Amino acid sequence: GDSVTQMEGPVTLSEEAFLTINCTYTATGYPSLFWYVQYPGEGLQLLLKATKADDKGSNKGFEATYRKETTSFHLEKGSVQVSDSAVYFCALSDDNFNKFYFGSGTKLNVKP
Amino acid sequence: SAVISQKPSRDICQRGTSLTIQCQVDSQVTMMFWYRQQPGQSLTLIATANQGSEATYESGFVIDKFPISRPNLTFSTLTVSNMSPEDSSIYLCSVRAGDFYGYTFGSGTRLTVV
Repeated sequence: GDSVTQMEGPVTLSEEAFLTINCTYTATGYPSLFWYVQYPGEGLQLLLKATKADDKGSNKGFEATYRKETTSFHLEKGSVQVSDSAVYFCALSDDNFNKFYFGSGTKLNVKP
Repeated sequence: SAVISQKPSRDICQRGTSLTIQCQVDSQVTMMFWYRQQPGQSLTLIATANQGSEATYESGFVIDKFPISRPNLTFSTLTVSNMSPEDSSIYLCSVRAGDFYGYTFGSGTRLTVV
């Protein structure tokens, strides 16, 4: 069945460091891919999305490219800030958007 | 995208009691989803609620424990029944976003059972 695997955390970085959070997926058909962010004490917010191969989603300096050949959707940011400290979830939606599969989440801690 | 109001935002409940969580959406949606997020873990889908029909539950979740109502296209409730400490989690409702390519989540209900 469909599934998402993302790197375990926590990831601890200094401010202005480069961020990569790995995400790979298994799916039949043509899924859409998402990154959600959960700030402390809050619900999930959609960070970015990509709906087909080679699409690049971007928002707030974060980017992720839908790579069908490697079944990956890694999240990157060139220079993280303390305010980026949160838990990041990679997710997959099936063709019909009737099912959503979440990765286990990666906690990011950014230190000043 | 849709805006979801979920309440209560948090509650502390005695074991054996029940809590009903409300989810209000600012637009009409066909499908609403209820998730559970146990401490330090990812989200698990509890059930899908369609207006006018019985909710569809995922494996491991049953209607007697998590009854769901969906009286119209903008509102749903999830009840956590006969609670035990193992039910302590964040419960989130979700709807498919207006642009069809994602899901919007409520801010969640943080439940602690003592």
